[in-house]
Amino acid sequence: DTGVSQDPRHKITKRGQNVTFRCDPISEHNRLYWYRQTLGQGPEFLTYFQNEAQLEKSRLLSDRFSAERPKGSFSTLEIQRTEQGDSAMYLCASSLPYRLAGTKETQYFGPGTRLLVL
Amino acid sequence: DAKTTQPTSMDCAEGRAANLPCNHSTISGNEYVYWYRQIHSQGPQYIIHGLKNNETNEMASLIITEDRKSSTLILPHATLRDTAVYYCIVRVGAAGNKLTFGGGTRVLVKP
Repeated sequence: DTGVSQDPRHKITKRGQNVTFRCDPISEHNRLYWYRQTLGQGPEFLTYFQNEAQLEKSRLLSDRFSAERPKGSFSTLEIQRTEQGDSAMYLCASSLPYRLAGTKETQYFGPGTRLLVL
Repeated sequence: DAKTTQPTSMDCAEGRAANLPCNHSTISGNEYVYWYRQIHSQGPQYIIHGLKNNETNEMASLIITEDRKSSTLILPHATLRDTAVYYCIVRVGAAGNKLTFGGGTRVLVKP
């Protein structure tokens, strides 16, 4: 078990550019979550996948944001036409299916990707 | 999910027990209490969760009051590495639901 991994760990981009982040969940975790955290605040939910299906999206996920999980394993989060307000830490988490975890279901987070938009 | 209220910050002495309170007066019967912590510049780390019974693991103990309107996370022997922001979260367990983080408690363990 190598934990949730995210790539890159840091990204600096200029306003208007597109960026893409990758998340590799813990193996056998079929649920995958994306959160965003701005400085001094707690993480905020963005979207959630169960296998390859995107089941929930926050209103925070504007049309410039798109997330995919094409084969139910890794996921990508793309931000188009970045704005300075997109500067934040983007966190990925994963969890086991309920049928395996039951009441012990919990989310395990990766180290995050820190984005700075200049 | 029910809302939680935590103190903004607290200090504790290294080697002593740290008791972190959390109020969740509107908690529903099917909602669990989760605790996570976030050490500076890292992703949140799961600590413990419970429904109504007290829970203990290798990291901490969780004490939930009988009416379930509040809880306390206990770090039995705080170390400097326990300095972090601690989040108390209430959510419907095992439903694949998002975690709703509040502001958390910033805990500083002092030597």
